[in-house]
Amino acid sequence: DGGITQSPKYLFRKEGQNVTLSCEQNLNHDAMYWYRQDPGQGLRLIYYSQIVNDFQKGDIAEGYSVSREKKESFPLTVTSAQKNPTAFYLCASSSASGYTGELFFGEGSRLTVL
Amino acid sequence: AQSVTQLDSQVPVFEEAPVELRCNYSSSVSVYLFWYVQYPNQGLQLLLKYLSGSTLVESINGFEAEFNKSQTSFHLRKPSVHISDTAEYFCAVGRSSNTGKLIFGQGTTLQVKP
Repeated sequence: DGGITQSPKYLFRKEGQNVTLSCEQNLNHDAMYWYRQDPGQGLRLIYYSQIVNDFQKGDIAEGYSVSREKKESFPLTVTSAQKNPTAFYLCASSSASGYTGELFFGEGSRLTVL
Repeated sequence: AQSVTQLDSQVPVFEEAPVELRCNYSSSVSVYLFWYVQYPNQGLQLLLKYLSGSTLVESINGFEAEFNKSQTSFHLRKPSVHISDTAEYFCAVGRSSNTGKLIFGQGTTLQVKP
């Protein structure tokens, strides 16, 4: 089945550590996105990529980094510079051809900083 | 700039009662509109979308939403809810000329009581 796979589903980290969240899609979508979800704040865009080897900052990129070396992969690194990293992180993708704007989401990764 | 406002953070309702979840948006350009549903600790799933054409759109599980351009609204309705409809619902807006960046509302938690 086609879809988006995020791992790990749950992750604990100590303050000062970097952590990388994985996102893989087999939908052959060109664009991929990372959103952060906090209670009562909806989803906020961290980074997005519309093509391999290119990505743009979203609304809350500070303290995060990404790479897009392959079309199917878009990992997110939460660095020690992110002041409040505990959150639910969602990866999504969309197709550029026959564009309808719809995003397809993974199951999410919940990061807790101890 | 675009924005989305979901007017209610929580909506409690009894089973088999009707429900309306309200969504207003602001945008100076043509938009696509979406409702997504999220069950606990899961990603978002598309419920329904408005791209063009008929202003009334329906989902397979009985929800419907009406695009009202003059009131810049896209309210979600269901005539009779079930316990299984308990979830968080997100309204989102995207620009018809852009590739995939969506702006999300803060979310509305629908609590269906027996």
